Amino acid sequence: EVQLVQSGAEVKKPGESLKISCKGSGYSFTSYWIGWVRQMPGKGLEWMGIIYPGDSDTRYSPSFQGQVTISADKSISTAYLQWSSLKASDTAMYYCARLGGDTALPYWGQGTLVTVSS
Amino acid sequence: QSALTQPASVSGSPGQSITISCTGTSSDVGGYNYVSWYQQHPGKAPKLMIYDVSNRPSGVSNRFSGSKSGNTASLTISGLQAEDEADYYCSSYTSSSTLNWVFGGGTKLTVL
Repeated sequence: EVQLVQSGAEVKKPGESLKISCKGSGYSFTSYWIGWVRQMPGKGLEWMGIIYPGDSDTRYSPSFQGQVTISADKSISTAYLQWSSLKASDTAMYYCARLGGDTALPYWGQGTLVTVSS
Repeated sequence: QSALTQPASVSGSPGQSITISCTGTSSDVGGYNYVSWYQQHPGKAPKLMIYDVSNRPSGVSNRFSGSKSGNTASLTISGLQAEDEADYYCSSYTSSSTLNWVFGGGTKLTVL
């Protein structure tokens, strides 16, 4: 069974750094793209970026380029989303999701709620 | 990178059929048969309902169907049930972004 398990909720202050994780299991981690999706409170889904763990090919939405870093450690089947300096506007639920057949997202993590507040 | 355009809300009574549209351009919806639809209940992760315009993943009710005409894709739900009340998002492959994927703004379906 394919599973994506994300790290737990985080409460941070503006300016702090953060790295959240998404651990894949039940499939060949290096063979499928994993994407990150943001959902701000009461708002819609936004693609942030995507990574191919096999070769670490990473692509970002223009809206998120330079704002976050996506990475993966294939030795532990885990993808990451990180910020170097959080802002209050980064408060959101973040989902990781795995592409299936390169055309859709059939597998989703449970989400990680990030709250940034002073 | 502009989001695909969906109506903010649609509604229908139990047993009826509703259709949610998703309008893009020739660089996304119109140019590729890679439109997918997701259902999201409050507090839950999204769930894939339709992929590649009209294909249903295993386990998804055949009351859900997808289609496309030109730059507009559509999700139709027939025989509406109370459990169908949720937010629905379309997504498409796009050639107009470095990321190659874009979501619609989402549609709130209310079952009256």
